[in-house]
Amino acid sequence: GAGVSQSPSNKVTEKGKDVELRCDPISGHTALYWYRQSLGQGLEFLIYFQGNSAPDKSGLPSDRFSAERTGGSVSTLTIQRTQQEDSAVYLCASSPGQYLEAFFGQGTRLTVV
Amino acid sequence: GIQVEQSPPDLILQEGANSTLRCNFSDSVNNLQWFHQNPWGQLINLFYIPSGTKQNGRLSATTVATERYSLLYISSSQTTDSGVYFCAVEGNSGYSTLTFGKGTMLLVSP
Repeated sequence: GAGVSQSPSNKVTEKGKDVELRCDPISGHTALYWYRQSLGQGLEFLIYFQGNSAPDKSGLPSDRFSAERTGGSVSTLTIQRTQQEDSAVYLCASSPGQYLEAFFGQGTRLTVV
Repeated sequence: GIQVEQSPPDLILQEGANSTLRCNFSDSVNNLQWFHQNPWGQLINLFYIPSGTKQNGRLSATTVATERYSLLYISSSQTTDSGVYFCAVEGNSGYSTLTFGKGTMLLVSP
């Protein structure tokens, strides 16, 4: 596609429910990143994929968070048993490889009520 | 891990003024990018500049990798330049990922 696509754009969920956030990277990009941005804050790194593998999972805030990438393309970030503190904008980025220019999607705004 | 510091944290300008934003980083980098986050939250790529100087219209950037800093220059600022400017770097050791500074919030008033 023309750019990184994320879905849904907005998600409102009840506390305790599971949510899945999707990221479609730019075609051919092997590196994929997930970040979280709370209101008025900077970007917090969550996880990085090179191909289908995630060599760096250190940023996932708890074991309620998981992510996978299949076929070296689409990635899904899953949050189980959502809490109010999970409310944030979740941003995905992709790049042709490590150390190359990364491009961001428009983000998914998650609200846990 | 690598540390990124941006200054100033906030900046208010009159339309037409020039400004310089600074990004300091604590280690060698293989990637440095400047982004503009618009009021809708979209991160717009401004420059990919691990070293050297680039210009794009009223914006230019310089990275002095040996001294571990980068500068973003905005000339003849416009109200549409308002938003948050982020610097992000990728170090050259191990599974390095893009580390962001806390940003500079710019407000350009008419």
